Parts: sequence; structure tokens; C-alpha cells
Amino acid sequence: GESVGLHLPTLSVQEGDNSIINCAYSNSASDYFIWYKQESGKGPQFIIDIRSNMDKRQGQRVTVLLNKTVKHLSLQIAATQPGDSAVYFCAENRRTGFQKLVFGTGTRLLVSP
Amino acid sequence: EAGVAQSPRYKIIEKRQSVAFWCNPISGHATLYWYQQILGQGPKLLIQFQNNGVVDDSQLPKDRFSAERLKGVDSTLKIQPAKLEDSAVYLCASSSFRGEAYEQYFGPGTRLTVT
Repeated sequence: GESVGLHLPTLSVQEGDNSIINCAYSNSASDYFIWYKQESGKGPQFIIDIRSNMDKRQGQRVTVLLNKTVKHLSLQIAATQPGDSAVYFCAENRRTGFQKLVFGTGTRLLVSP
Repeated sequence: EAGVAQSPRYKIIEKRQSVAFWCNPISGHATLYWYQQILGQGPKLLIQFQNNGVVDDSQLPKDRFSAERLKGVDSTLKIQPAKLEDSAVYLCASSSFRGEAYEQYFGPGTRLTVT
């Protein structure tokens, strides 16, 4: 079936470390991939996205890597801070006449001071 | 710019009761989405509106869930009768008419507990 999933449900890091959150997807027709951050009691917040014709995109302290060969997406957070503690979701944008976001199950990032 | 507003923030009901959620999207956003997010999972799209028309409701359990978006602005999502498995956070999101689906802005959600 078609799905977007994550390898690690929980990732614990020390403040200042770099964090890597991974995601696998199965739909080759998706044209965009997006990372969202969700803090407790809040809705998902957009972090960064990447087109399917790119393999890397950088933002402020975050980098997204896309490997279409193995259908793998990753989010790298540099110098992780306690404020980065949240659940991170990858999502793929599918176009089937209309556009639709399909979310993965999430990875919880815990940052220790 | 004000964000997506939702109410109530929390709701506890007994099974077989009915419940309604309200969403006010960002001003000017033509597309509105309702998602169901079960604890520990990613959001799952229930229904998508373009103005006041339904674009996709393929994952909406239509025997108990209904949604409307009168006048193409506010929207309500209703569950009648509720089941235990409906316990979840219900998220509303909106995007502009010329925006892409990924340019969605989410509200804080309504946490529903069915006992």
C-alpha cells in the first residue's frame, strides 16, 4: 500500500548535538515532501519542504535530504536546542486530480540540556 | 495575521452522543481541511473544501461524520453518534486559493475524548 512512515519513534539527543530524523515513503508520484514540527497541544507547524526534483535543501539550522532511489527523506537539525523538542512528521504532497498531504506517524525528538 | 481558530479546544462525551467542532480559517483562504489525528499518529485527512464545495471526502466515515462550509468561510465538523475510536485530535487547516497543498496552516485542534 501507499504510506509514509518513520524508522525511529523516539530520538534523544543532547543540546548542541546534531539530530537526524528519517522517513520512508512509497509513492513515487509525490511532487513535494514536507517536514512539520508539532509541539504538545498545538497543530503541526511547517519547517521545510523539498521538491521531488531536488536532493537537498537548506534552511536555518535545518537541512532536508531526499533520496528518490531508495525513497528516503531525512531532516537534519544542527546544534539542537531544547526548544526543538517536539514530534516531527514528514508528509508527501500527492496530486490525484487535486492535492493531498499524506502524513507519516511521527518521531518524537527529546533534547536534554 | 490571525491564524486558524478552532473551538472548543477540549471535549469529553459519552459514546453514542453527538459533538460538533468549529473552524475559522485564515482570512482569504479558499481551501479548508479537516484532519483526524489519533494519538501517536500523523494527521489523516477527513475532508477538503474548496470554497464551499467538497473536493475530497473519501476518508470521511459518512455514516457518522458530516461537515459543511456554508458561505465558504467557517466550517463545522459533526460526529453523530460518536464511538470510542473517534477519540482523537481534530485539526483544521487552511490554504490560499493559489497556494499549494503543502502551504497549509493548522489550527491548535480540538481534543475529543469519547468514554
